[in-house]
Amino acid sequence: GNSVTQMEGPVTLSEEAFLTINCTYTATGYPSLFWYVQYPGEGLQLLLKATKADDKGSNKGFEATYRKETTSFHLEKGSVQVSDSAVYFCALGDTGANSKLTFGKGITLSVRP
Amino acid sequence: NAGVTQTPKFQVLKTGQSMTLQCAQDMNHEYMSWYRQDPGMGLRLIHYSVGAGITDQGEVPNGYNVSRSTTEDFPLRLLSAAPSQTSVYFCASSYSREFSSGNTIYFGEGSWLTVV
Repeated sequence: GNSVTQMEGPVTLSEEAFLTINCTYTATGYPSLFWYVQYPGEGLQLLLKATKADDKGSNKGFEATYRKETTSFHLEKGSVQVSDSAVYFCALGDTGANSKLTFGKGITLSVRP
Repeated sequence: NAGVTQTPKFQVLKTGQSMTLQCAQDMNHEYMSWYRQDPGMGLRLIHYSVGAGITDQGEVPNGYNVSRSTTEDFPLRLLSAAPSQTSVYFCASSYSREFSSGNTIYFGEGSWLTVV
């Protein structure tokens, strides 16, 4: 079955540091890939997505590239801010006709001033 | 834009009680689903629906019931609450059943449920 593996957390960075959050997946076919973010006390928001190999999703300074050869979708940001403190989830969209998402465990990012 | 609306946001239940988490979307989305979020486990699919009158089980359906009488609403019922059902519940919707067309799933703000 499908699975998503995220790097272990939590992660603590200083403001303006470079961020990489690793995500790898196992799936059949060509799934769509997503990053969702959950700010403290709030629901999930779509951060970015990519629907085919070599696509790059980007939003709010975050980027992730769909790498089929390494089955990865790592999230990066060049300079994090305190307001980026949140839980980040990598997710895979099932290739079947049921719109099912498979999530990684999530990783908590804390950014210090 | 209301999007996906869940109620209540917080609820405390006693073991054995029943309750319904409400979910409504105003985007005329065909597909709706319920996930639960537990620490260190990400989100797991409970039930989903591909249209009014059609529901199916997800990964962790036991102890939950759903129905889809209208396109807009997809309530989740806890039949006899257990402490293991303490979790954060998210309702979600999307306009189609497939991702290949660029379809995106939209989530509600979550319902924090504690069973004591």
